Amino acid sequence: KAGVTQTPRYLIKTRGQQVTLSCSPISGHRSVSWYQQTPGQGLQFLFEYFSETQRNKGNFPGRFSGRQFSNSRSEMNVSTLELGDSALYLCASSLGQAHSGNTIYFGEGSWLTVV
Amino acid sequence: EDQVTQSPEALRLQEGESSSLNCSYTVSGLRGLFWYRQDPGKGPEFLFTLYSAGEEKEKERLKATLTKKESFLHITAPKPEDSATYLCAGPYSSASKIIFGSGTRLSIRP
Repeated sequence: KAGVTQTPRYLIKTRGQQVTLSCSPISGHRSVSWYQQTPGQGLQFLFEYFSETQRNKGNFPGRFSGRQFSNSRSEMNVSTLELGDSALYLCASSLGQAHSGNTIYFGEGSWLTVV
Repeated sequence: EDQVTQSPEALRLQEGESSSLNCSYTVSGLRGLFWYRQDPGKGPEFLFTLYSAGEEKEKERLKATLTKKESFLHITAPKPEDSATYLCAGPYSSASKIIFGSGTRLSIRP
């Protein structure tokens, strides 16, 4: 069974631009959550979508947004990029909502470099 | 405040030298305990989920155990390919999210 697929794997953007990252969850999984990982801060929760609705959001500015489609695929968008947004962005999927104890499975991540 | 704390931060072992990694957590609202392995530049790879105190799960040289306040990841006779960062995480209904520990960087010397 295919795992969580994230695209693109690597990208370089200029400060002030915007970026959209895509995530296809494991077949049958309805929840998709997004994380930012940096060497200094570890894994930081961005938001979770379940049945096309954002269920929870981490402590990130409004420049970070996301959405989920009817087929459970998800996208996240970062507008007005800053140098500090350079990170590995990870998508994870689960059958039900993650905080209920459903195991989450990660994709390989999208490496974003802002120059 | 819900917290998940891992120790040690880094651990260097000789090949074949068994040891344990620790993950302690606040209890209230916890809905399980996850362990992941992460190699550099890759996404975390799922290892185990534990739900009840006393529960144990094994996979090759790894065994995860759970008590009421902490979880241990025991590594028996490790090999260099076991070198990675090991993450634990707790899904908290009270916070409506999963809280990750900062990880233990494990290095196995041949």
